[in-house]
Amino acid sequence: DTEVTQTPKHLVMGMTNKKSLKCEQHMGHRAMYWYKQKAKKPPELMFVYSYEKLSINESVPSRFSPECPNSSLLNLHLHALQPEDSALYLCASSLSGNEQFFGPGTRLTVL
Amino acid sequence: EDQVTQSPEALRLQEGESSSLNCSYTVSGLRGLFWYRQDPGKGPEFLFTLYSAGEEKEKERLKATLTKKESFLHITAPKPEDSATYLCAVQAKGGTSYGKLTFGQGTILTVHP
Repeated sequence: DTEVTQTPKHLVMGMTNKKSLKCEQHMGHRAMYWYKQKAKKPPELMFVYSYEKLSINESVPSRFSPECPNSSLLNLHLHALQPEDSALYLCASSLSGNEQFFGPGTRLTVL
Repeated sequence: EDQVTQSPEALRLQEGESSSLNCSYTVSGLRGLFWYRQDPGKGPEFLFTLYSAGEEKEKERLKATLTKKESFLHITAPKPEDSATYLCAVQAKGGTSYGKLTFGQGTILTVHP
């Protein structure tokens, strides 16, 4: 298995909802990442997990809460989001911290 | 602060018309420079990693080169299926080994049949 999977593909939520994004990889990679990408912009790093521990938080608002239950799985819990949080959320993984391999993304719309 | 600038912002080519995309970078010690291809609404697809000046990598119609200040992505005889946004990113030495990529704004390539 040489891919990163993300679910759901699309998510629509209200500002009072709680939802979660899921990311999975079975390549034995030890680092996993969450990125946010707005239209016509490059991906922006949100969080990095290294060996299941949070190593980088790019000053992301607390309404985004990451979780890494094991080395293959990464979640992003969402609560009380704002319409400006609507974006493509990308997960990536890396074996050695060099090349990062991205999943297909979750298209999030906040109403 | 690490910076990556890509040019041009957009490039329109006729099928078979070869060209190059540029990625200029400023980084406090380069650990690696990465090229990605991204189709609309999808995640970036990894293309190449370059580590040191003078290094070159090739894949089908694409060839990436690296100097101390910039990288080029050469596209030879492009086809319409090469149309995509091409992203360049750098990673600096030091800090965590699983650290951040600094991306450029991307070049939108359109290849007309």
